[in-house]
Amino acid sequence: DSGVTQTPKHLITATGQRVTLRCSPRSGDLSVYWYQQSLDQGLQFLIQYYNGEERAKGNILERFSAQQFPDLHSELNLSSLELGDSALYFCASSVGPEYEQFFGPGTRLTVL
Amino acid sequence: SQKIEQNSEALNIQEGKTATLTCNYTNYSPAYLQWYRQDPGRGPVFLLLIRENEKEKRKERLKVTFDTTLKQSLFHITASQPADSATYLCAFMNRDDKIIFGKGTRLHILP
Repeated sequence: DSGVTQTPKHLITATGQRVTLRCSPRSGDLSVYWYQQSLDQGLQFLIQYYNGEERAKGNILERFSAQQFPDLHSELNLSSLELGDSALYFCASSVGPEYEQFFGPGTRLTVL
Repeated sequence: SQKIEQNSEALNIQEGKTATLTCNYTNYSPAYLQWYRQDPGRGPVFLLLIRENEKEKRKERLKVTFDTTLKQSLFHITASQPADSATYLCAFMNRDDKIIFGKGTRLHILP
């Protein structure tokens, strides 16, 4: 158990819909990262937050947004969902940007 | 464009031997790199981190090297065991805090 929690574990929705994925980092960790993992693309970095502020952006689509709240939990919002958004979404946390990351169990999103 | 390549899709190694996995990068100047292990359907698990000014890091049966001239990292598992079978991912963070993961190498340790 990494200490990072993600909810929900599974999510099934339809194209065009909007969903919110939630992540609680390990106690004491200030950085939160979001990743998308699909079979053909591997693990893709989406975005990083540090202590409530956006720190770095990767290959995050404009339809996706994220935030980190004062209690350090984070949410990833996915809107106007397409079939290609079906993937495993992982959250990870670390003490800071240059430290090892601890990954949550992931949310499996299926868009029908 | 920035690119990370891991040496093969699958690697079969006899139990007890040393497994060596390769990670090459191009058009990139990473500040540090990390290696992770991932089992099917689970999140990656951190193994080792090495910074650009370090040549080698060890942890128990694991060793990682970082050659900025060759633009390559090697990851070694000595005295390999069937329980080491998994997918191994390398990841680089560059100076603007963006992270790039390789697609991973599936390692099979044969009893």
